[in-house]
Amino acid sequence: DVKVTQSSRYLVKRTGEKVFLECVQDMDHENMFWYRQDPGLGLRLIYFSYDVKMKEKGDIPEGYSVSREKKERFSLILESASTNQTSMYLCASTPDSSYEQYFGPGTRLTVT
Amino acid sequence: QKEVEQDPGPLSVPEGAIVSLNCTYSNSAFQYFMWYRQYSRKGPELLMYTYSSGNKEDGRFTAQVDKSSKYISLFIRDSQPSDSATYLCAMTSSGGSYIPTFGRGTSLIVHP
Repeated sequence: DVKVTQSSRYLVKRTGEKVFLECVQDMDHENMFWYRQDPGLGLRLIYFSYDVKMKEKGDIPEGYSVSREKKERFSLILESASTNQTSMYLCASTPDSSYEQYFGPGTRLTVT
Repeated sequence: QKEVEQDPGPLSVPEGAIVSLNCTYSNSAFQYFMWYRQYSRKGPELLMYTYSSGNKEDGRFTAQVDKSSKYISLFIRDSQPSDSATYLCAMTSSGGSYIPTFGRGTSLIVHP
């Protein structure tokens, strides 16, 4: 079974803090993705990566950065957290040439 | 107009009912269609996928694609309270980006 794990299920941070969200997959997938999910807005793609050290902006990259130093790990960084970044953050991975995304359990981030 | 439209619901049905969940889309290049199920406070999990037009059945679930109408459906027979979840459709064009376009999800409640 594909397993995608995220470092925290729930996180509370203060405005202005630097926040790291970590995602690890154990199936040697090439592609990894970060989404945020908000009521009424659905899933929105923040960043994705096709390979180690490669990254591409998604639909809403502003205020976020990412890091992929190892194939299995994809980190999302909020440089200076703001209240409008309070959301559910979901990581996903796919093998190459596949459309089927495997999601982690999500991190519910609250910024106060 | 969003590329993929999905009624958010909630859709409330009695146990044992046949459920029909639907999405419409505007991009005629979409060829690969997926349905994800997301339980509360969890990440989405892939339920079914189909390529191009036609039907696909898996147990109590049937996925149907009508490309001429740009309309896809997920039918659930003999619905159970454990089917209560949010169902997201997703689709992508073959041979291009492996990033699906998601609907916003339909919340389904099956009451005993």
